[in-house]
Amino acid sequence: AQSVSQHNHHVILSEAASLELGCNYSYGGTVNLFWYVQYPGQHLQLLLKYFSGDPLVKGIKGFEAEFIKSKFSFNLRKPSVQWSDTAEYFCAVNARYNFNKFYFGSGTKLNVKP
Amino acid sequence: DTGVSQDPRHKITKRGQNVTFRCDPISEHNRLYWYRQTLGQGPEFLTYFQNEAQLEKSRLLSDRFSAERPKGSFSTLEIQRTEQGDSAMYLCASSPGPWGQGVQETQYFGPGTRLLVL
Repeated sequence: AQSVSQHNHHVILSEAASLELGCNYSYGGTVNLFWYVQYPGQHLQLLLKYFSGDPLVKGIKGFEAEFIKSKFSFNLRKPSVQWSDTAEYFCAVNARYNFNKFYFGSGTKLNVKP
Repeated sequence: DTGVSQDPRHKITKRGQNVTFRCDPISEHNRLYWYRQTLGQGPEFLTYFQNEAQLEKSRLLSDRFSAERPKGSFSTLEIQRTEQGDSAMYLCASSPGPWGQGVQETQYFGPGTRLLVL
C-alpha cells in the first residue's frame, strides 16, 4: 500500500521567512502528486499538482513544489511567507494505475507570526 | 460552479444512534469520494462512486457504514449504531472523472461534516 509522510507536524515562522515542507511517499510506480491547504475554518483547497513534465511546479499564492523521483519526494516551498499563509498543509499522492484513491499525509500546521 | 456542499456541517449524536450525511458534488462531476479525517491526521479514503456505481470501498468502511449515490448526483453516507470511535470529520470530494487511463485526476473537497458521538 502507498503511504505519504510529512515529517514536520508543526512549523512556526516569522513573516518573510522562507518555507520548505517535506513530503515523501512510498510507491514504486508512476504517481500524481498534490499539495492541499486548509485555512482555519475552511475546507481543503488545491494548492498545486504534478502529473508529468517539468518537476518544478508552481501553484497559487507564490507556492511551488519540486518532484524528485529518486528521493520519492515532493517538497513544498515558498520564498517569503505571509501571516495569511497560516494554515494546515497536506501532501497527497495517487497512483496512475489506481487514480481513484488518494493517500494523504498527516498534515503540517504552519503558524506564521506577524 | 458552486463547489461541493455537505449537510449537516455538524452532528452530535448518542452512541447507538444512526446518522446520515449528504454530499452534493460539483454539477457534472461523475466521480464522488468519501473520506474520514480524525484529529491530527490527513483524510483517509472510505469509498468512491463513478456515477451511481460504488466501485471501491476501504477496509475502514465497516458493515455499519453504507453509502449510496442513487441517481449519480448527490450521495449519502449512513452510519448505523454509532460508536465513539466514529467521531471524526467526514469529507466528500468530487472530480470530473477520467475517460481513460492515466488521466489527470483532481479532487475538489467539500467543507465536511463533523460528527461527535457521545
